[in-house]
Amino acid sequence: LAKTTQPISMDSYEGQEVNITCSHNNIATNDYITWYQQFPSQGPRFIIQGYKTKVTNEVASLFIPADRKSSTLSLPRVSLSDTAVYYCLVGAAAGNKLTFGGGTRVLVKP
Amino acid sequence: EPEVTQTPSHQVTQMGQEVILRCVPISNHLYFYWYRQILGQKVEFLVSFYNNEISEKSEIFDDQFSVERPDGSNFTLKIRSTKLEDSAMYFCASSDGGQITDTQYFGPGTRLTVL
Repeated sequence: LAKTTQPISMDSYEGQEVNITCSHNNIATNDYITWYQQFPSQGPRFIIQGYKTKVTNEVASLFIPADRKSSTLSLPRVSLSDTAVYYCLVGAAAGNKLTFGGGTRVLVKP
Repeated sequence: EPEVTQTPSHQVTQMGQEVILRCVPISNHLYFYWYRQILGQKVEFLVSFYNNEISEKSEIFDDQFSVERPDGSNFTLKIRSTKLEDSAMYFCASSDGGQITDTQYFGPGTRLTVL
């Protein structure tokens, strides 16, 4: 199981872009990278998933370099409501058990 | 947008009592999960369930825990004899497929407090 390492916390300001990098040096060939968001006292919520290169949806972008040993979640123009914990997960395509790490606590300030 | 619902939102019980946490997964989903999160700690996988049987469980999911899909809509987690350390948020999730590429949708959670 690939271990993930991400910063414990990050501060940002409204309107800024937030980039959270996750290291997963032992990622396996069939592993996907998935990011979830969790607000206080709520369940995690899927943000984005990718395998390689770049993925973009209406909420975020995910950048994955060619060696796939890291990934960066990019949140454009954050607002106060983006204050949450962001989790990077790495898991095999054939499995569906989600393994959460400690996540990155993002605080967006006015 | 369809969502996973859980009841109750908060359950307080005495140590040694049985509790049943209830979940209504998204209606066309076939895969169901329970996770828990002790206050201030990581979200931990407990069990996955498909086709009326457990497909995977963690070491946390011991003989005190059981899951059931009693009808076509509910998915329950039973803890037979609660311990203080079972106090946590319990999240139910569901997905329409069993691959990592199938998004798991989480419910709002049940906060279990064991006294």
